[in-house]
Amino acid sequence: DTAVSQTPKYLVTQMGNDKSIKCEQNLGHDTMYWYKQDSKKFLKIMFSYNNKELIINETVPNRFSPKSPDKAHLNLHINSLELGDSAVYFCASSSSTGVIGELFFGEGSRLTVL
Amino acid sequence: AQSVTQPDIHITVSEGASLELRCNYSYGATPYLFWYVQSPGQGLQLLLKYFSGDTLVQGIKGFEAEFKRSQSSFNLRKPSVHWSDAAEYFCAVGAIGSGGGADGLTFGKGTHLIIQP
Repeated sequence: DTAVSQTPKYLVTQMGNDKSIKCEQNLGHDTMYWYKQDSKKFLKIMFSYNNKELIINETVPNRFSPKSPDKAHLNLHINSLELGDSAVYFCASSSSTGVIGELFFGEGSRLTVL
Repeated sequence: AQSVTQPDIHITVSEGASLELRCNYSYGATPYLFWYVQSPGQGLQLLLKYFSGDTLVQGIKGFEAEFKRSQSSFNLRKPSVHWSDAAEYFCAVGAIGSGGGADGLTFGKGTHLIIQP
């Protein structure tokens, strides 16, 4: 079983569209994250949720809206997509009671905006 | 604010040769340091971590890293690389946050490792 799974793995869409990426973890972790990896491989945290509550909200446009329906899921919805949103988006999870800071990553969702 | 610098964007090493990837960090308190590896088309996998104690830490796949507080460094090493080690390597620094766990990690920009036959 995949520990952290994201869908879809690839997403190609037009500017102005709205899209969502889903993430699920079966590790029993209580903290989940979204990271963005740009074309130069730079990884930057976007959001962090702990027990469904927003902990970190880095400076990202409010077109990006995360939603955590329960501890095991953290979805990312993006409105009015722009060319600069093209990137690989990684979901990750960690446990606040386990090994501190050890993140488990999904395989990424490659978003291409045309 | 914490930051991580990986000064080498690309490194090319011959198969069987030794490897050292450099990482320097900036953090106000005792850092929690990590090395992750990203194979092409994959997510990141934890190689090793340092929280406290012995400054030489062992990880998976034969990797080790040494924490040097005086140099603010956490370099990754491997005595003999294999072709399967070709990947992107990320150094990261983390902290305990109000969430009770790490408030995410700050990553360096990565080092792309190329293995020559």
